[in-house]
Amino acid sequence: KAGVTQTPRYLIKTRGQQVTLSCSPISGHRSVSWYQQTPGQGLQFLFEYFSETQRNKGNFPGRFSGRQFSNSRSEMNVSTLELGDSALYLCASSLLARALYNEQFFGPGTRLTVL
Amino acid sequence: DQQVKQNSPSLSVQEGRISILNCDYTNSMFDYFLWYKKYPAEGPTFLISISSIKDKNEDGRFTVFLNKSAKHLSLHIVPSQPGDSAVYFCAASANSNYQLIWGAGTKLIIKP
Repeated sequence: KAGVTQTPRYLIKTRGQQVTLSCSPISGHRSVSWYQQTPGQGLQFLFEYFSETQRNKGNFPGRFSGRQFSNSRSEMNVSTLELGDSALYLCASSLLARALYNEQFFGPGTRLTVL
Repeated sequence: DQQVKQNSPSLSVQEGRISILNCDYTNSMFDYFLWYKKYPAEGPTFLISISSIKDKNEDGRFTVFLNKSAKHLSLHIVPSQPGDSAVYFCAASANSNYQLIWGAGTKLIIKP
């Protein structure tokens, strides 16, 4: 079956703009988590959605938001972009919320560059 | 303050030899540790994990060792193969908190 897909794969924006990233989980998976990976840093947890509800949230400012649709697809939005938002944004899907880590599958990521 | 540290950004190992990737942590509440592998243009994939009640876990060519007193874990790959060339992330969690804390990763290069 198809894996986790993320669109777009690459994105270039300028400071102050906003951006929306999309994640389609594996068919049947209802949980989607988002992560930010910056150079020299590990993955930083952004938030997790399950059945259209945010279940868990990391320590990111309110400029970072997300949502999940009834078909489990998820979007994350970053408003008023800053240079430091340049990163690889990864999403991961799992069948259940708070899944065992070996049951969480990552997409290839969206590389966001803020100029 | 990085709670999980991978101090070697990269490591080069001859094919067939042992690769040892290291990870240190500072939070004594961590009780579950994982290693992930990431190829370019792909997301991380789970490799192996270890609970704090054990000091070793083995899966084929991959073995993870945990030294709780030193707050140190290591991943051993024996023998190393070209397909093992990737970035390896160490991650940890505390039972009371679902969120994983990730290290910055170590890029492993297997030389032919």
